[in-house]
Amino acid sequence: AQSVTQLDSQVPVFEEAPVELRCNYSSSVSVYLFWYVQYPNQGLQLLLKYLSGSTLVKGINGFEAEFNKSQTSFHLRKPSVHISDTAEYFCAVIASGGSYIPTFGRGTSLIVHP
Amino acid sequence: ETGVTQTPRHLVMGMTNKKSLKCEQHLGHNAMYWYKQSAKKPLELMFVYSLEERVENNSVPSRFSPECPNSSHLFLHLHTLQPEDSALYLCASSQFGRGDEQFFGPGTRLTVL
Repeated sequence: AQSVTQLDSQVPVFEEAPVELRCNYSSSVSVYLFWYVQYPNQGLQLLLKYLSGSTLVKGINGFEAEFNKSQTSFHLRKPSVHISDTAEYFCAVIASGGSYIPTFGRGTSLIVHP
Repeated sequence: ETGVTQTPRHLVMGMTNKKSLKCEQHLGHNAMYWYKQSAKKPLELMFVYSLEERVENNSVPSRFSPECPNSSHLFLHLHTLQPEDSALYLCASSQFGRGDEQFFGPGTRLTVL
């Protein structure tokens, strides 16, 4: 079975500063990795995903993430955040060859201050 | 309509009421999911349907009863709920059996009085 750990429940940051949201996973097989964002009173929407190939993945709204197999990590980064990036961010993993039902992390609340 | 839609967006019900949540996906997916999202708690997977058959039920109380009449529609029937069932209920869809992302609806905010 796979698991996901989001190491920070809350990340406060000032506008235009860089940010990194951390995600580590555990799986005995190869994985597919995802980051979702949830704005207040909305559902989750996909930011980016890693299926195979290049380990640096670019997503929407200027976010990117790097798959590091040796460290079993998939950290999300943005070089300069905006107030509008304030939201809840979820990391998710799907283990290949299994049920293909994703496992979600507990979420990280990104709070951008002016 | 595009994507995944959910109705109603907000619902207030008493503990003795019966109500239903509706989800519809317009993406041609073959799997649909119900999640419960409570404040300060992780996302909880409740039910998974693939090709209209239930493939996972994560020990959800019987006061929640899902129904999937076809691959585009999913319902969650509610009866004799408890105040701790108040939460955001999210519906999602995807192509089952592949490493594809899920597409989520906006959710139904349920309050049980």
